[in-house]
Amino acid sequence: EVQLVESGGGLVQPGGSLRLSCEASGFTFSRFWMSWVRQAPGKGLEWVANIKQDASEKKYVDSVKGRFTISRDNAKNSLHLQMNSLRAEDTAVYYCARLRPQGLDYWGQGTLVTLSS
Amino acid sequence: YVLTQPPSVSVAPGQTARITCGGNNIGSYGVQWYQQRPGQAPVLVIYYDSDRPSGIPERFSGSTSGNTASLTISRVEAGDEADYYCQVWADSSDPVLFGGGTKLTVL
Repeated sequence: EVQLVESGGGLVQPGGSLRLSCEASGFTFSRFWMSWVRQAPGKGLEWVANIKQDASEKKYVDSVKGRFTISRDNAKNSLHLQMNSLRAEDTAVYYCARLRPQGLDYWGQGTLVTLSS
Repeated sequence: YVLTQPPSVSVAPGQTARITCGGNNIGSYGVQWYQQRPGQAPVLVIYYDSDRPSGIPERFSGSTSGNTASLTISRVEAGDEADYYCQVWADSSDPVLFGGGTKLTVL
């Protein structure tokens, strides 16, 4: 059974940093692109970042470029999102998802990031 | 590139719900649809415009025509009440693009 479990969310002050993790199981992690998608409270889905199987390609939404870094550890079946210089508008539930040409076919349950001073 | 969805759609149980997603020449992009029930993560219900992942009921179907993609839910049930999002693979700078979402209310 495919499982994605996010962790690392929490309350952080504007300007602070946070590192999210996503532990994958039930599939060969190293064979898939992976994504982070976020959802602000009461809002829609927003794609944040993608990473290729071997981490040779990474893509980001413009609003996080230069502040967020997506990475992966295929040996540990884990995906990460390092978030720096956090802003109030980064408050959201962050989901990791498996990315295939057919779509984002598996999602974790999400981890909440809250910006508050 | 922008995907436009109606904010809400309402339907009585047993009837058919149709949720639209508008975008310029959307049929050329390949459209996915996701269902998100309250408090839960999204679930892929349609990919490549009209294909269903395993485990998704046949009541869910998708189509595209011109500048509009549609998700049709037949014989709507109370459990179908959720937010529905369309998604396409856009350009290389913004590869994953979602519509704004449609709240389906089962009356």
